[in-house]
Amino acid sequence: AQSVTQPDIHITVSEGASLELRCNYSYGATPYLFWYVQSPGQGLQLLLKYFSGDTLVQGIKGFEAEFKRSQSSFNLRKPSVHWSDAAEYFCAVGTPNSGGGADGLTFGKGTHLIIQP
Amino acid sequence: NAGVTQTPKFQVLKTGQSMTLQCAQDMNHEYMSWYRQDPGMGLRLIHYSVGAGITDQGEVPNGYNVSRSTTEDFPLRLLSAAPSQTSVYFCASSLTGGYGYTFGSGTRLTVV
Repeated sequence: AQSVTQPDIHITVSEGASLELRCNYSYGATPYLFWYVQSPGQGLQLLLKYFSGDTLVQGIKGFEAEFKRSQSSFNLRKPSVHWSDAAEYFCAVGTPNSGGGADGLTFGKGTHLIIQP
Repeated sequence: NAGVTQTPKFQVLKTGQSMTLQCAQDMNHEYMSWYRQDPGMGLRLIHYSVGAGITDQGEVPNGYNVSRSTTEDFPLRLLSAAPSQTSVYFCASSLTGGYGYTFGSGTRLTVV
């Protein structure tokens, strides 16, 4: 079975500084990979996704992520964070089924991002 | 375009009671799934469906039941509520799953 590890439970970054959130997965092949963001009391919003092709993917709100097959990683980055980026971030994987879809997602436990003024 | 709609937003149940959490989507998505979110645990998959009439179990299915009679609706039934089912429940839908899921705003359930 697949699994997702987000090693950092909390990360504190100063406003304007760069950000990198780590995600490692365990799966025998290349899964579908996603990053979601959740603001307090809200649902989850998809930031970006990877399923094939260019290993550097761009998402919404200025985020990008890089898929590294050799490291089984899919780290999320942003060059300059804003106070509004404070939220919970989840990495997730979907395993391709025979039809090319993904039946459901396996999530990491999340990283809580705190922005210092 | 409403997206994924979950009702109710909040619910308090007594131990042993049953209830149904409703989920509806208007995007003609074939894939739908239910998750529960507990502090420090991320989201865990309860049940999923890849089309009307087709459902399967996820990681934590015990105590929950689902059916998918239409493409639009995917209700989650708690058969006999237990305090361990106190959680926030999210429904999600996707065209195929590989392009990512759209999530509802959640139902916060407390079982006393």
